[in-house]
Amino acid sequence: AQKVTQAQTEISVVEKEDVTLDCVYETRDTTYYLFWYKQPPSGELVFLIRRNSFDEQNEISGRYSWNFQKSTSSFNFTITASQVVDSAVYFCALSEMSGGGADGLTFGKGTHLIIQP
Amino acid sequence: DTEVTQTPKHLVMGMTNKKSLKCEQHMGHRAMYWYKQKAKKPPELMFVYSYEKLSINESVPSRFSPECPNSSLLNLHLHALQPEDSALYLCASSQGNTGGYEQYFGPGTRLTVT
Repeated sequence: AQKVTQAQTEISVVEKEDVTLDCVYETRDTTYYLFWYKQPPSGELVFLIRRNSFDEQNEISGRYSWNFQKSTSSFNFTITASQVVDSAVYFCALSEMSGGGADGLTFGKGTHLIIQP
Repeated sequence: DTEVTQTPKHLVMGMTNKKSLKCEQHMGHRAMYWYKQKAKKPPELMFVYSYEKLSINESVPSRFSPECPNSSLLNLHLHALQPEDSALYLCASSQGNTGGYEQYFGPGTRLTVT
């Protein structure tokens, strides 16, 4: 069975600090997909990134970067020079292919990121 | 345009009421989903529609009844709900029905059952 663990329940940093959100996953599949979503106080889940299990290249998008390491089953997310607008709950999620169809996303419990001005 | 719309934004209903939540997407996506999210918890999958057919029902009580009238619309019919059903109900869609596609979420309907 698949599982996503986000051990950090809440992180609070001062604006402009760098912050890393951890995500560890479990799956028996060799083909799977990992995602990060942002949920601001308004409630809408915003898609940030998708990574498939065969692509371990790190990715950078502006102030955001992601580190995917299959050896440790981790898919960590770093925000550089954090801003108040980054305050939100961030979810890591996993989707497997073995079901042959849409199984939906398995979410971690989320990390509440607070950026203080 | 990666927009998924949901109506209403807020809904208060009594335990004997019948109401419906609506979701719409115009991205040509062929899979649509309903999730339930309680406060300070992650979203939990309820239903998946793939090519307008129900493909997954995560053992959801029958007081929740999904409907997919066409490829762009997804409804969730509610009847005889319980106070513990109060939650944020999120609709999502994805291009395909395999695990590799990202899901795009609507803003949700915040449901309160009194």
